[in-house]
Parts: sequence; C-alpha cells; structure tokens
Amino acid sequence: GENVEQHPSTLSVQEGDSAVIKCTYSDSASNYFPWYKQELGKGPQLIIDIRSNVGEKKDQRIAVTLNKTAKHFSLHITETQPEDSAVYFCAASPFQGAQKLVFGQGTRLTINP
Amino acid sequence: DADVTQTPRNRITKTGKRIMLECSQTKGHDRMYWYRQDPGLGLRLIYYSFDVKDINKGEISDGYSVSRQAQAKFSLSLESAIPNQTALYFCATSGDSQETQYFGPGTRLLVL
Repeated sequence: GENVEQHPSTLSVQEGDSAVIKCTYSDSASNYFPWYKQELGKGPQLIIDIRSNVGEKKDQRIAVTLNKTAKHFSLHITETQPEDSAVYFCAASPFQGAQKLVFGQGTRLTINP
Repeated sequence: DADVTQTPRNRITKTGKRIMLECSQTKGHDRMYWYRQDPGLGLRLIYYSFDVKDINKGEISDGYSVSRQAQAKFSLSLESAIPNQTALYFCATSGDSQETQYFGPGTRLLVL
C-alpha cells in the first residue's frame, strides 16, 4: 500500500522568511496530493492540493510542487506570518476521487516574530 | 453552526469499558471517515463509509467498530478500551464527486 514520509517533523522560521515542507510517496499510482493545516484544538483543514498532471500550483503565499518521477511533493509558504504557525500534513491518494487518503506524519511549523 | 460535529470533545475512561464516539454532519455528504491521530504518526484511517449501507475497514480497524445510522451520522465504538487507544480521534466527510475531506474538531480520548 501507499506510504507517505514527511520532513521535517518540526520547523522554526523567522517571520517574513519562507518555509518548505517535503513529502515522499511510494505508490506511483497516486494521483492526488492535498495539504492540510491543523491549528491548535481544531481539525485539519485543506489549504491546497495538486493532481499528478500538474507540476506546480500556487495560491497567494502558498504553493505546492510535484515531481512524479522522484515521487515527492513539497509545500512552500512565502512571507510567513504568525498565523501560519500550525501543524501541516501532506497526504496522497492512489484512488480517483480521494476515496482514501494516506497522511504523512505532520510538521509543526513555528513562526518566530 | 459547525458543519461536522463530534461528541464528546473530551473523554476519560477506564480499561475494559465500552465507549462510543459520535459524529454528525450537515454538509449532505455521503462519505464519512474515522481517523486516529497520534504524535509523530499523522492521521491513520480506522473505518470509512461511502453511504448508509457501506462500511469499510481502514488501516487500523482492529479493536474498533462503526455504525452508520443515517447519512448524517457515523459512530465509532471501542468495545473494550485499552490504554494504547489513547489518542485524538477525528471524523471527516466528503462529497461523492469531491476530493476535499472536511474534518470535525476531534475527540480527545484518554484510556486509563
């Protein structure tokens, strides 16, 4: 089955700097890759996603890149702000319609003022 | 009101007790999921249901059971709780043709 590895487990950056979180997956059939943000005391919330037929997707300060050959994808956050502090999860789905998601271990991002 | 609600939000129980966690949604979604979150392990799928008559085991279903009482309700039961079931439990929903999963606020369970 699919296995998703996420690094780093913790990340601390200065406000205004960029943050990058990386994930690798094992199943070449995976074709949908969402990223979720979990704030303290809340459930995860989708922030951006990408499909296997696209190499990069951007939404304001966040972007996701996908390298199908290497089977890895990354989340990029630019101009970080204190409200970006949270736990971020990547996921992969080998099934159309994301019927089942396999999540990475999570990255705790801390933005230092 | 929240679209996906979970009750209780916090629960302390003893080893061997039966416990039920409940999830309700007002999004009109057919698909519902139960996940478990442990530090350093991310979210792992316990059970999922694509409609009222459909129940499927996930990655870590041993020790758990579920009931889909209605389109809007999906309950998770621990028949005989054990300490290593101490975790944060999340319910999620998604629409038939949608890939986004919407998560509830979670239930923090402590088994003593």
